[in-house]
Amino acid sequence: GQNIDQPTEMTATEGAIVQINCTYQTSGFNGLFWYQQHAGEAPTFLSYNVLDGLEEKGRFSSFLSRSKGYSYLLLKELQMKDSASYLCAPSSNTGKLIFGQGTTLQVKP
Amino acid sequence: DAGVTQSPTHLIKTRGQQVTLRCSPKSGHDTVSWYQQALGQGPQFIFQYYEEEERQRGNFPDRFSGHQFPNYSSELNVNALLLGDSALYLCASSLFGPLETSGNETQYFGPGTRLLVL
Repeated sequence: GQNIDQPTEMTATEGAIVQINCTYQTSGFNGLFWYQQHAGEAPTFLSYNVLDGLEEKGRFSSFLSRSKGYSYLLLKELQMKDSASYLCAPSSNTGKLIFGQGTTLQVKP
Repeated sequence: DAGVTQSPTHLIKTRGQQVTLRCSPKSGHDTVSWYQQALGQGPQFIFQYYEEEERQRGNFPDRFSGHQFPNYSSELNVNALLLGDSALYLCASSLFGPLETSGNETQYFGPGTRLLVL
C-alpha cells in the first residue's frame, strides 16, 4: 500500500526557520520530491532526494532517510511569500508521483 | 522556452456531460501525466502517457480516458460527469524514456484546468 503523512497546517514567523516533516510507505520507492503550491496555482518543483542525507538549495533544504521512510523540508529566513502548501511526493520506480495532502504553511509578520 | 500549457483554464459542465481537457508539454519532454486535485487535497495520479500509449494508471474509473499525439501533447477525457469530478486537473510533463530508467525525472506542472460540474 501507499501512505504519506505530513502535518495539515503550520504557522511560523517571518525570518524564522520551519521544518515540515513527511513520513511515507510506498511500494517501489525511488526518490522523494517536494513541491510548493500557492493557492490557485500549479505545484512548482522545489527539491528531489534519492540518496540519504541533506540537499541544500538556497533558503530551502530537504532531507531523506530511506530506511526510516522519512523526509523533511527545511525553510530558512522565512518570507511572507513562502506562505503556501508544501507537497511531499514519493516517486515510484515507474515514475508515478504519489502526493500527500500537503502542509499549508502560514507565515506571519 | 515554453512551459507546460493547458486549456481551457476554467470549465463549467452539468452532470452526465463529457469534457475534454488539453495539455502541451514543456519543450523537449516526451511524457505526460494527469492528476486530479480536489480542494484541500494533494494531486491524485490519473494516468501517464508515453509514446502515445497509456503507460500506467491510477485508481480512476474507465470514465477517465486519454490520448497522446505524435507531438507529445495530450488530452484527458471524462465521460458521464459526476458532481464529484469537480476539481483542478493538472497536467505534468517530463522526459522519462524507458520504464527501467524512470523515477528520477522531475515532473513540471501546467497551470491546470478548473472543472466545475453542476
